[in-house]
Amino acid sequence: GESVGLHLPTLSVQEGDNSIINCAYSNSASDYFIWYKQESGKGPQFIIDIRSNMDKRQGQRVTVLLNKTVKHLSLQIAATQPGDSAVYFCAENSPTGGGNKLTFGTGTQLKVEL
Amino acid sequence: SQTIHQWPATLVQPVGSPLSLECTVEGTSNPNLYWYRQAAGRGLQLLFYSVGIGQISSEVPQNLSASRPQDRQFILSSKKLLLSDSGFYLCARSPRGGRDTQYFGPGTRLTVL
Repeated sequence: GESVGLHLPTLSVQEGDNSIINCAYSNSASDYFIWYKQESGKGPQFIIDIRSNMDKRQGQRVTVLLNKTVKHLSLQIAATQPGDSAVYFCAENSPTGGGNKLTFGTGTQLKVEL
Repeated sequence: SQTIHQWPATLVQPVGSPLSLECTVEGTSNPNLYWYRQAAGRGLQLLFYSVGIGQISSEVPQNLSASRPQDRQFILSSKKLLLSDSGFYLCARSPRGGRDTQYFGPGTRLTVL
């Protein structure tokens, strides 16, 4: 069936290193993808999005890469800081989803070690 | 700026009691509104969404209901809570029409005892 999933449930990185969080999706019709950051006890926070007509999009210290051939999405965080510790979710939106409904992955816990 | 308020922030309720969670949105008109539930350590499950006043779509059969009495107000309710209703409830908004980012509120932590 259609799904959005993450390769690693937990990722530990050293402060200052780059982090890469991966996401696989199975619905080839999906054309819009979002990354969210959720800190403990808070609502998800929008980080960056990308549409399927792009392969890469950059923000402040973050880059999202989209590989439509293998249906893979990644979030790269440069110079990871302790404040980046959180759960990161990818979400997809497809024309078959109806309206503006998103399908969320289960999340990856990013732990930044000092 | 566009802001989402959720009230209350935390709630502890006995089994069988009623529930009313409120979500209000500022700084935008005619938004799509959503209710999600998140179990501990899990992803987000869409419960309801609304494209306008009085228009509610239910995603999963459950013990909960939703209402949208005003354009910027979305309410999640239950007549009798179950233990399984415990979780983190999140309200989200997105622009009307098309596919776009959803922005989330701060959430309500509900514990049913």
